[in-house]
Amino acid sequence: DGGITQSPKYLFRKEGQNVTLSCEQNLNHDAMYWYRQDPGQGLRLIYYSQIVNDFQKGDIAEGYSVSREKKESFPLTVTSAQKNPTAFYLCASNKDAGINNQPQHFGDGTRLSIL
Amino acid sequence: GEDVEQSLFLSVREGDSSVINCTYTDSSSTYLYWYKQEPGAGLQLLTYIFSNMDMKQDQRLTVLLNKKDKHLSLRIADTQTGDSAIYFCAESKGSARQLTFGSGTQLTVLP
Repeated sequence: DGGITQSPKYLFRKEGQNVTLSCEQNLNHDAMYWYRQDPGQGLRLIYYSQIVNDFQKGDIAEGYSVSREKKESFPLTVTSAQKNPTAFYLCASNKDAGINNQPQHFGDGTRLSIL
Repeated sequence: GEDVEQSLFLSVREGDSSVINCTYTDSSSTYLYWYKQEPGAGLQLLTYIFSNMDMKQDQRLTVLLNKKDKHLSLRIADTQTGDSAIYFCAESKGSARQLTFGSGTQLTVLP
């Protein structure tokens, strides 16, 4: 089955530690996105990538970093500079970000907590 | 203020219709989406509407768009307990068609 796989489902971070969240898709989608969801709030865009080896900051990129070395993969690193990392992180993709009528499809999310 | 606004909670009886409302502010938005999120899960695309349309129907779902008032609604006919979830509306804008989400409406279906 084609889809978006996020791992792990649950992740714990110690103070001062960087952690990396995985997002893989086998949908042959060009664009990929990372969102953060806090309780009672909508999703906020962290980073997005329209093509391999290129990515742009979203609304809340501070304390996060990404890479897009392969079309299928868009890992997100939550660095120690992110002082409030506890949240639910969602990865999404669509076929071509610049074309309308290409809805984003979402993975099942990773829940990150601070120890 | 928020670009996209939704009321936080809605309760309905099983079998009744549910209407979830959303307002947005960017008149250049070309597509508007409704997503459903069940507990601990990602977002599932329910339906979407192009901004030059007034209405779109898909089985039990009806989307109404009032572009003049920038108001979007999702009607679920014959609401079932399995429809209990958080519903997000989102508008698509920007060069990469980034999505801006509302805060979500928690729909509770009572037996």
